[in-house]
Amino acid sequence: RKEVEQDPGPFNVPEGATVAFNCTYSNSASQSFFWYRQDCRKEPKLLMSVYSSGNEDGRFTAQLNRASQYISLLIRDSKLSDSATYLCVVNINPLHGSSNTGKLIFGQGTTLQVKP
Amino acid sequence: DAGVTQSPTHLIKTRGQQVTLRCSPKSGHDTVSWYQQALGQGPQFIFQYYEEEERQRGNFPDRFSGHQFPNYSSELNVNALLLGDSALYLCASSSRDRGTKNIQYFGAGTRLSVL
Repeated sequence: RKEVEQDPGPFNVPEGATVAFNCTYSNSASQSFFWYRQDCRKEPKLLMSVYSSGNEDGRFTAQLNRASQYISLLIRDSKLSDSATYLCVVNINPLHGSSNTGKLIFGQGTTLQVKP
Repeated sequence: DAGVTQSPTHLIKTRGQQVTLRCSPKSGHDTVSWYQQALGQGPQFIFQYYEEEERQRGNFPDRFSGHQFPNYSSELNVNALLLGDSALYLCASSSRDRGTKNIQYFGAGTRLSVL
């Protein structure tokens, strides 16, 4: 079983649609959670951190459910420029409380294609 | 403020050869992590360096080694290249500052092709 699982898609949606991505993680020692965006043949870029209380950044809303080990991302009013691969990421720090940055565990990524 | 820079951008090698990839972290960052991303997959953690020592390692063989220099820049070395080592190699930098330590910023990567 993969440590972070995502539906690879692709999700094909029209402009203006609302789309939701989900992922699950298996390591209960996971401490921080993120969504990264990756454009074709480019590096991953941090989209947003994810908190249990839920957080919103413009059209993007992220949610974490620690009990279910489940992370979600909601994109409202999709734009053509939202077309990319969205990577669900957890940070695991085996030395909890240390100054170690920890390692990132990535899901396979979910591909979104927004069409006119 | 320069972000994370990696060199070279592309590299072609043959099986059995050795390769060295380089990374300069974002200004103010002291920690460098390396990831391998195969086509169609998410990045996989190789190892992490700070204070010039390897601090964490993923499930990669000893053919993968690294180094961090006093200026925080880092190298990734891969010996005895295999066809399966063909991938995008990503460097990520971060700071151990309490407020930001879990956020890693990525360079553009080095695309390695092994023939």
